[in-house]
Amino acid sequence: KAGVTQTPRYLIKTRGQQVTLSCSPISGHRSVSWYQQTPGQGLQFLFEYFSETQRNKGNFPGRFSGRQFSNSRSEMNVSTLELGDSALYLCASSLNSGVEKLFFGSGTQLSVL
Amino acid sequence: GESVGLHLPTLSVQEGDNSIINCAYSNSASDYFIWYKQESGKGPQFIIDIRSNMDKRQGQRVTVLLNKTVKHLSLQIAATQPGDSAVYFCAEKGPPDYKLSFGAGTTVTVRA
Repeated sequence: KAGVTQTPRYLIKTRGQQVTLSCSPISGHRSVSWYQQTPGQGLQFLFEYFSETQRNKGNFPGRFSGRQFSNSRSEMNVSTLELGDSALYLCASSLNSGVEKLFFGSGTQLSVL
Repeated sequence: GESVGLHLPTLSVQEGDNSIINCAYSNSASDYFIWYKQESGKGPQFIIDIRSNMDKRQGQRVTVLLNKTVKHLSLQIAATQPGDSAVYFCAEKGPPDYKLSFGAGTTVTVRA
């Protein structure tokens, strides 16, 4: 069974641009969560999607948004990029919403110049 | 998350010795706890989990201990191997928002 797949693996953007990251969950998993990982802040929860609906949201500004498609694949978008958005963005899937065991992808490393 | 008093950001262990990684969590109402291992260039990988109605759970070479009285969680790795070198995260889940909240992580280095 394939794991969680995130694309692209690396991304370089400049301030003010926007970016879209993609995540394909494990087959059969219907919940997708997104986390931001930085050396200073650790893993910070962004949001969770289940059945194309946002179920939970972390404390991030409205520039961070996401969506989930009917096949459970998810995308997250960051608009008007800032230098501080440089981070590893991790996607995790689980069978259903509320199932605690998350399976993580390898992440997308975003660098904002 | 993890409190500064109990959390060591780094741990150096001799190969073959046992490792103990500590984590102090913040929410006394948390009812689920989980440990992840993250190797360089990879996402976190599940190690073991435990619910609040238990105080100990064992896996393959790993044991998680939960002390709810002092809100402390530990991960014990038996006979530490070079492949155990990684960053280890504890995470908790509970009310009000039931999202998995991660600690700062402990970097474990295994000496040959």
